[in-house]
Amino acid sequence: EVQLVQSGAEVKKPGESLKISCKGSGYSFTSYWIGWVRQMPGKGLEWMGIIYPGDSDTRYSPSFQGQVTISADKSISTAYLQWSSLKASDTAMYYCAREGTGSGWPLVYGMDVWGQGTTVTVSS
Amino acid sequence: DIQMTQSPSSLSASVGDRVTITCRASQSISSYLNWYQQKPGKAPKLLIYAASSLQSGVPSRFSGSGSGTDFTLTISSLQPEDFATYYCQQSYSTPGFGPGTKVDIK
Repeated sequence: EVQLVQSGAEVKKPGESLKISCKGSGYSFTSYWIGWVRQMPGKGLEWMGIIYPGDSDTRYSPSFQGQVTISADKSISTAYLQWSSLKASDTAMYYCAREGTGSGWPLVYGMDVWGQGTTVTVSS
Repeated sequence: DIQMTQSPSSLSASVGDRVTITCRASQSISSYLNWYQQKPGKAPKLLIYAASSLQSGVPSRFSGSGSGTDFTLTISSLQPEDFATYYCQQSYSTPGFGPGTKVDIK
């Protein structure tokens, strides 16, 4: 079964750092992009960025460039989303998702497999 | 940045109704348009990719059409499990989602 399993909920204080994870299984992890999507409480979906674990090609939405870092460790089939200094406005649900396109760009096949989401709460 | 809009932002419908949701891009995106369904507390689910291709396992009552800047998602006969929020997403350039359309029970 193809699946993405995300790390558990986090509660942090403003200014703290954080790295959440997304572990893929059941498919060739290095052959598909993995993207990250933010959903703030009661709001819509926001595409944050994406990484191709095969060669670590990483692309960001302008809205998130410089605010977060996306990385991957292909040896353990895991992608990461990290913050160096959290703000209260980072409070949200974060989803990882596989992009079905493979190595190409533009992306064609949509985000076909999703993780269960990681809730991040930032509060003093 | 390519901006995505959806209309309506919400709609009320009955089981068995035909429902159409529109998505518009601020510039041409060819057919690089996907549709997702999201239910409360759940991750989104891919319904349609490349504007009109039905994702495996998705019921055939869902269909997509359009190219360039204007796209539609149609549910031919609304079922109880279809009450949800629907998002379009362009992947022509840096991907982005539309604001969503909430479909609830009339």
